[in-house]
Amino acid sequence: EVQLLESGGGLVQPGGSLRLSCAASGFTFSRFAMNWVRQAPGKGLEWVSIINDSGDAAYYADSVKGRFTISRDISKNTLYLQMSSLRVEDTAIYYCANLVPGRPTHFDIWGQGTLVTVSS
Amino acid sequence: QTVVTQEPSFSVSPGGTVTLTCGLRSGSVSTSSYTSWYQRTPGQAPRTLIYNTNIRSSGVPDRFSGSILGNKAALTLTGAQADDESDYYCVLYMGSGIRVFGGGTKLTVL
Repeated sequence: EVQLLESGGGLVQPGGSLRLSCAASGFTFSRFAMNWVRQAPGKGLEWVSIINDSGDAAYYADSVKGRFTISRDISKNTLYLQMSSLRVEDTAIYYCANLVPGRPTHFDIWGQGTLVTVSS
Repeated sequence: QTVVTQEPSFSVSPGGTVTLTCGLRSGSVSTSSYTSWYQRTPGQAPRTLIYNTNIRSSGVPDRFSGSILGNKAALTLTGAQADDESDYYCVLYMGSGIRVFGGGTKLTVL
């Protein structure tokens, strides 16, 4: 079964750090660029970051640049998002999703999401 | 900061036709934006309707179509059905690895 499974969410204080994980199964993880997308309560989808298939190029939304770091471990079929200097406005459900090659905005497989709450 | 604009809400009658748009606060959307459209139902993963401006994703009925209208991307739904009531999001490729979602349109069928 093709699946992405996020974990690592939780409650953290402003200024704190958290690392999210996304375990992939059922498809060839190393062939796909991978993304993080989030949705704050009552808000729309927001693209956060992307890492290419080989893991040597990454890009970020302005809202998280310099605070978040995306990475991947192909040997473990796992995607990560290291979040630091967290703000209240980072509170959201975080989803991982793959990107279909040749389709720059086509996110095909999505995880079920993990909730990050930033609050004192 | 790039802002992608969508109508916050839209209403269509059953059997009717509606066109949702996706624009840029500053600039124009073109085929180089590689627009995708997603349908988002609460509790479910986003469903891809259209990618690369006008290509229907697998299994999507031909009631949904994508295009460029003027300086915006557009999603047209013909023959609206009750289960089309949902949130619809567009996403644009801005170059240099950056993607930006629109704020979403809440479509009501009544």
